Amino acid sequence: DAGVIQSPRHEVTEMGQEVTLRCKPISGHDYLFWYRQTMMRGLELLIYFNNNVPIDDSGMPEDRFSAKMPNASFSTLKIQPSEPRDSAVYFCASSLGWGAGYNQPQHFGDGTRLSIL
Amino acid sequence: ILNVEQSPQSLHVQEGDSTNFTCSFPSSNFYALHWYRWETAKSPEALFVMTLNGDEKKKGRISATLNTKEGYSYLYIKGSQPEDSATYLCAFMSTGGFKTIFGAGTRLFVKA
Repeated sequence: DAGVIQSPRHEVTEMGQEVTLRCKPISGHDYLFWYRQTMMRGLELLIYFNNNVPIDDSGMPEDRFSAKMPNASFSTLKIQPSEPRDSAVYFCASSLGWGAGYNQPQHFGDGTRLSIL
Repeated sequence: ILNVEQSPQSLHVQEGDSTNFTCSFPSSNFYALHWYRWETAKSPEALFVMTLNGDEKKKGRISATLNTKEGYSYLYIKGSQPEDSATYLCAFMSTGGFKTIFGAGTRLFVKA
């Protein structure tokens, strides 16, 4: 079974450039999460979607960050303009639905290592 | 602010030792507690999903317990092996939105 697929694996770009990270969740999963991992703050939830609808974006650090999920099989996280402090590993994860005592773990992609110079 | 704390931060053990670590989380608005294993240069992999107070889960040599009333979970590894070396993360999910808060992890090193 294909897992969560993220692209690119590595991105190096200059400050001020637009960065787009991509994620394909596991087929049939109706929750999708974007996380950022840094040494200082560990793994932080940025935003999550349910059935393609953003549910909680309170973790998105600034207006420079935006995320979309145009369909069930694709999501993007965009940073515009990018800054050096955005350098981190960004993970996408997906899971089956919860509710009514039904709870599933999250399945993570391999992450995108982003470096902003 | 929801706070999830893990201890110890890191742990060095010898092959064959049994070990355990702790995850502390808010005791109110509990929905679920997840444990993940994260090897270097890989992505986190789910170990357990725990939802009920008193839950005990086991997978091979690894087991976990859950106390939602006092807000803690223990992860146990029996007879540690070098391949158990990884970071073990717990993640707290609260009701009213299912926001996921990860702890900083316990980094386990098992020496052969």
